[in-house]
Amino acid sequence: EDKVVQSPLSLVVHEGDTVTLNCSYEVTNFRSLLWYKQEKKAPTFLFMLTSSGIEKKSGRLSSILDKKELFSILNITATQTGDSAVYLCAVETNFGNEKLTFGTGTRLTIIP
Amino acid sequence: DTAVSQTPKYLVTQMGNDKSIKCEQNLGHDTMYWYKQDSKKFLKIMFSYNNKELIINETVPNRFSPKSPDKAHLNLHINSLELGDSAVYFCASSHRLFGETQYFGPGTRLLVL
Repeated sequence: EDKVVQSPLSLVVHEGDTVTLNCSYEVTNFRSLLWYKQEKKAPTFLFMLTSSGIEKKSGRLSSILDKKELFSILNITATQTGDSAVYLCAVETNFGNEKLTFGTGTRLTIIP
Repeated sequence: DTAVSQTPKYLVTQMGNDKSIKCEQNLGHDTMYWYKQDSKKFLKIMFSYNNKELIINETVPNRFSPKSPDKAHLNLHINSLELGDSAVYFCASSHRLFGETQYFGPGTRLLVL
């Protein structure tokens, strides 16, 4: 059974800190890994990663994938209170097993 | 011990047909959702039910009708399917509306020919 595990489950830091969120996976026929940010609304798409070692960056957020060790990290630098959310990792598979398996998320709380 | 399950996993059908996708959660959650994932991987919310009551109904064609027979089930019925309905549909659940992490089902890949 495909599995996506995120850690930590929750994280509380002060504004300005840098955080690293982890996502590890065990799936058959990996296609891509997706990161979403979920506030009190539908999840917002952040990144899609398909290749190892290539960093994707958007402002203070960045993410990288390691297909050999089967994990991805999401970094947020100089955190702001608006970064408080649940961050979801999901892995896409293909070749007859197309699906998206979500992790249970990391709840990030930024204290002013 | 699947938390959120959807059936079917794949659905291939002709334009004009009517089809249903079923969703069940065994987490004891009060809120369930239907999302449509577009080709850019964005998740667009379609509907949300809380305790069998419809609370979110985004701009979705009337051809889409959700039905929640009980708290643990939220089904999606689609009438007169169109080519543009082809997508992956995800069901999710949470304890309360957008209050905390949503648990997603595996998705139903719909292809309309």
